[in-house]
Amino acid sequence: EVQLVESGGGLVQPGRSLKLSCAASGFTFSNYYMAWVRQAPKKGLEWVATISTSGSRTYYPDSVKGRFTISRDNAKSSLYLQMNSLKSEDTATYYCARIWPNWVDYWGQGVMVTVSS
Amino acid sequence: DVVLTQTPVAQPVTLGDQASISCRSSQSLVHSNGNTYLEWYLQKPGQSPQLLIYKVSNRFSGVPDRFIGSGSGSDFTLKISRVEPEDLGVYYCFQATHDPTFGAGTKLELK
Repeated sequence: EVQLVESGGGLVQPGRSLKLSCAASGFTFSNYYMAWVRQAPKKGLEWVATISTSGSRTYYPDSVKGRFTISRDNAKSSLYLQMNSLKSEDTATYYCARIWPNWVDYWGQGVMVTVSS
Repeated sequence: DVVLTQTPVAQPVTLGDQASISCRSSQSLVHSNGNTYLEWYLQKPGQSPQLLIYKVSNRFSGVPDRFIGSGSGSDFTLKISRVEPEDLGVYYCFQATHDPTFGAGTKLELK
């Protein structure tokens, strides 16, 4: 059974940093592209970052480019999202997502990040 | 960026009725490889999204055949025949042909 379990969320002040983690199990992690998708409270879904199987290729939309960094450790079957210079508009539930072959087929349960002073 | 416009914003339904959701793209979603990467997701209250349909009309594993995706180019539709209680929630279309984007969502709710 595919499982994606996020952790690392919480309350953080504007301008500070936070790192999210996602522990994957039930599949061969190194064979899949992975992504982070977020959802602000009562809002829709927004793609945040993508990473290739080896980690050599990444994609970010303009809203987070230069502030967020996606990475992975295939030996640990883990995905990460380093978030710097956080803004109030980054407040959202962040989902870890498996991509196959071009779309998300499995989602984690999500982790909440609140950016507020 | 590709903009996906979903209509209606909310769809009131009676259980057992058919529902229809439209998703229109600001650009063609036909990839250079000939595939059209238009997917549909359902987010039930308090849950993560779940994949229903991939590449316009293919049902994901375990998805009932009352969910039917159709369309081409930049105009797509999701039909749900005989709506059941577990079908209620917010439906999102998504495209992966270009840099990935979601539609704003359509809430399927009881009339």
